Amino acid sequence: ETGVTQTPRHLVMGMTNKKSLKCEQHLGHNAMYWYKQSAKKPLELMFVYSLEERVENNSVPSRFSPECPNSSHLFLHLHTLQPEDSALYLCASSQDPARQGALNYGYTFGSGTRLTVV
Amino acid sequence: RKEVEQDPGPFNVPEGATVAFNCTYSNSASQSFFWYRQDCRKEPKLLMSVYSSGNEDGRFTAQLNRASQYISLLIRDSKLSDSATYLCVVNKAGSYQLTFGKGTKLSVIP
Repeated sequence: ETGVTQTPRHLVMGMTNKKSLKCEQHLGHNAMYWYKQSAKKPLELMFVYSLEERVENNSVPSRFSPECPNSSHLFLHLHTLQPEDSALYLCASSQDPARQGALNYGYTFGSGTRLTVV
Repeated sequence: RKEVEQDPGPFNVPEGATVAFNCTYSNSASQSFFWYRQDCRKEPKLLMSVYSSGNEDGRFTAQLNRASQYISLLIRDSKLSDSATYLCVVNKAGSYQLTFGKGTKLSVIP
C-alpha cells in the first residue's frame, strides 16, 4: 500500500449510531489531518496531529472525536451526528511544518470517506 | 474578506485553448502557495507549488505577486483531461493549516 489510505469509502449512518473513520499513511510523514468538505464550501480543517499529539484546536463539535495512536494512523470517531454533518471527510498527511519550516510540499490526501447521516 | 478568494467559474473552453485562473489571499504572512486539482468526487491532488519567481511544469505556469497578494495559474493547450476544479491554497510559515479557496471549475470541451 502506498500514500494515504482511508476506510470506509462510503458510510451511511443513523443519528444514534457510533462509527469510526480510519486513515493510514505510508509516506513517513509525521503530521496528520482531518478535513471536512461540504458542497459549495472550501475544505475546513478539523483536527491536526503532529507526532501523535493534537496541535491545533479548531471549533469542532464534540460529536467528532479524533484519535492518533501512532504517527501512521488516525481515526475519527463519530457519535450522535446530525444530517448537516453529511460531507466528504478527508484525511491528509505531511512533513511537520513546525520542524521543517514552511509547508513546502503541501499535503497528500486520502481518497476520503463520503458520509451520509440519515 | 475571505482568506482565499477564487472565481468559481465554470470556465468552459475548447481543447487547445489557453486558460488562466486567478486567486487572491488576505493574510500577508502567507509563505507557501499551491495549486491543487480536484476531480469530481475525488480527493484534491497537488498540481504544483508556486514560487516567488514563477514556475512552469509542462503546460502549466504559476505566478505569485506578493505585493498584490495574488496567485495565478495558466494552462496552455488545454486537454479534455484537464477538466477538474482547481483549488488555490496558501499556508502561513510554521502553521499546520493549509487554507483552501472554494475552487474554480474548468470544463474542456471537444
